[in-house]
Amino acid sequence: QVQLQESGPGLVKPSETLSLTCTVSGGSMTSMTSSNYYWGWIRQPPGKGLDWIGNIYHSGTTYYNPSLKSRVTISVDTSKKQFSLKLSSVTAADTAVYYCARRTIVGAYTDAFDTWGQGTMVIVSS
Amino acid sequence: DIQMTQSPSSLSASVGDRVTITCRASQTIASFLNWYQQKPGKAPKLLIHGASSLQSGVTSRFSGSGSGTDFTLTISSLQPEDFATYYCQQSYSSPLTFGGGTKVEIK
Repeated sequence: QVQLQESGPGLVKPSETLSLTCTVSGGSMTSMTSSNYYWGWIRQPPGKGLDWIGNIYHSGTTYYNPSLKSRVTISVDTSKKQFSLKLSSVTAADTAVYYCARRTIVGAYTDAFDTWGQGTMVIVSS
Repeated sequence: DIQMTQSPSSLSASVGDRVTITCRASQTIASFLNWYQQKPGKAPKLLIHGASSLQSGVTSRFSGSGSGTDFTLTISSLQPEDFATYYCQQSYSSPLTFGGGTKVEIK
């Protein structure tokens, strides 16, 4: 059973860069490099809905939400079984719970986030 | 971007009730529609993928239907543990987008 765990600072100053890491545990050693999986980040502002930030494939190919693309970088280190999020020039609007998640693509129509981390709250404030 | 609109935004129901939540896409998404359940302070949990396929380990009280632009999530007999917020999400095209959520509360 694969598990995901986010880690990183819970408080970031405005204009600085938010940095989070997601560690993948459990499952087989090849789970991160399976062709069926993408690894991604989703955020949820307090009291609001879910927003997709982006995904990365084990090869390093990235897919970003255009609304954040100029500020987002997602990277992967399969040897450490980790992937990371960097969001630059943050403002109060970036305050949210940040989730890492596995996106599984199998068969004709299966393309969903089937495994999630517990989430980590990041507050942007001076 | 494909907009996902859920209705209602909230509902009150009793244990044992049949509950239906609707999700409408702003353009056709075939069957690339997923449903998630989120309880307070917890991560979302995948319930239904591909519009109608039950995720492994999820109770058969939950079912999904629809294709194209109109989709429904049905809870056949609401149980106490089902009180939560439900989100739809399209995976047809990037950017991936979620509906605004439907909060199911106890009547």
